[in-house]
Amino acid sequence: QSALTQPPSVSGSPGQSVTISCTGASSDLGHYNRVSWYQQSPGTAPKLMIYEVSNRPSGVPDRFSGSKSGNTASLIISGLQAEDEGDYYCSSYTSSGTVFGTGTKVTVL
Amino acid sequence: QLHLQESGPGLVQPSETLSLTCTISGGFLRSSSSYWAWIRQPPGKGLQWIGSIYYTGTTFYNPSLKSRVAISVDISTKQFSLKLISVTATDTAVYYCARQESYSSDSGVIPDYFDHWGQGTLVPVSS
Repeated sequence: QSALTQPPSVSGSPGQSVTISCTGASSDLGHYNRVSWYQQSPGTAPKLMIYEVSNRPSGVPDRFSGSKSGNTASLIISGLQAEDEGDYYCSSYTSSGTVFGTGTKVTVL
Repeated sequence: QLHLQESGPGLVQPSETLSLTCTISGGFLRSSSSYWAWIRQPPGKGLQWIGSIYYTGTTFYNPSLKSRVAISVDISTKQFSLKLISVTATDTAVYYCARQESYSSDSGVIPDYFDHWGQGTLVPVSS
């Protein structure tokens, strides 16, 4: 069970848009539409931001959106804000269970 | 509002068994749409799914940990538990319990996303 691949870091200025990619294989992320995204601030538990590729839980700002094409899912943060800084992880169901991405640190410049 | 709380010893000796319990409040373990999961995060590293359990006792385990892990559920006490045997320093991590929502398919009830998390508990493995 290999981790999904994410860029180690992305950054942007307030108000800009950033995209975090999450790449898997045709047997996991490419096969199932069960991708979720989590935000984690230092010392706290992860928080669900997107589920089932593009659905937002209640309370998550609409500047967060998700998509998927082939074996790659993406989290887009539009109108970046200082509070969006943190680590972001994707996750997908696979035939071997659940797998997380390697994580991406988002920095607001 | 669903709340999850991990509990267990603060330190485990190498080669011993790590045991943790997650107690839920504000909800029920006997839910047809939920699995209950354990996830860990070594210091400074990423998340690793350990395993999930359905209220019927059906379990899914991470293949890399399967030989050392057991997850159980006790509906009457609103708790589910993790046991990890033969631990080493590489098992040092913050351990989280979480609710994992699921969906129905031709193959049965399939685990999906984690929507509620405990605060996590750091378990060092050291002599």
